[in-house]
Amino acid sequence: DIVMTQSPDSLAVSLGERTTINCRSSQSVLHSSNNKNYLVWYQQKPGQPPKLLIYWASTRESGVPDRFSGSGSGTDFTLTISSLQAEDVAVYYCQQYYTTPYTFGQGTKLEIK
Amino acid sequence: QVQLVESGGGVVQPGRSLSLSCAASGFSFTTYGMHWVRQAPGKGLEWVAVISFDGNYRFYADSVKGRFTISRDTSNNTLYLQMNSLRPEDTAVYYCARWGNGLDVWGQGTTVTVSS
Repeated sequence: DIVMTQSPDSLAVSLGERTTINCRSSQSVLHSSNNKNYLVWYQQKPGQPPKLLIYWASTRESGVPDRFSGSGSGTDFTLTISSLQAEDVAVYYCQQYYTTPYTFGQGTKLEIK
Repeated sequence: QVQLVESGGGVVQPGRSLSLSCAASGFSFTTYGMHWVRQAPGKGLEWVAVISFDGNYRFYADSVKGRFTISRDTSNNTLYLQMNSLRPEDTAVYYCARWGNGLDVWGQGTTVTVSS
C-alpha cells in the first residue's frame, strides 16, 4: 500500500498569511502514461463531509477560491493557501488514487493564530 | 441538485451485520465510480471500498476485505455496503462519495457504532 504522510500535523497561522501543507507518498504517484500525478486535496470543516479542492495535484476544482493552489510531482506535494481567511480553518487531507487502496494522509489541522 | 444520502447506520454488537445504503440523485449514477470512506471518532479519513461505474470491479481496504461487500443497484440509483463480522474498530461515520476528478460529491454520513 502507498503510505501518505502529511506535515505538519497541525499549524496556526495569522489571517492574511501564506500557509503551506506538505504531503509525501511512499512511492511515486506520477503515471508515466499521461504524466499526471494521481493526488488530490480535500478540506474538511467540523461536522461536515470533506470537500474536494485540488485534483491531478495542481488543478483547482470548480468553485474553489484561487488562493488555494497545489504543486509537486512524484512523491512530494504541497497545498498552499496564499492568504489565510477565517473560513479556511479546517483539516486538510491529501489522497492518492494511483492504485488501490486509495490512501489518505493523516490530516493537517489548520487554525488561526 | 446532485445529492447523496446515506442511511442504515446504528448501534450493533460485535460480530453482527449491518447494511448501509446511499441514495444518489441529480446525476447519471451509471457513469460514476462510487466509494465508501469512513472516519472514526476524532480521527482522519479512511478509504474503505470502491465499485466501478458498471459494477464490474470492486476493491477494498485490507481492514475490511472479506467482511464488507460494496454493491450498486442502477434500477434505484443506490449504493450499498454490506458489513459483516463487525468489530469495535469499525465504529465510524461512513460516507459514500462519487468519484469525478476526485471524490467530488459526498453524503452527510451515517454513524455506525459497534459495541456490546
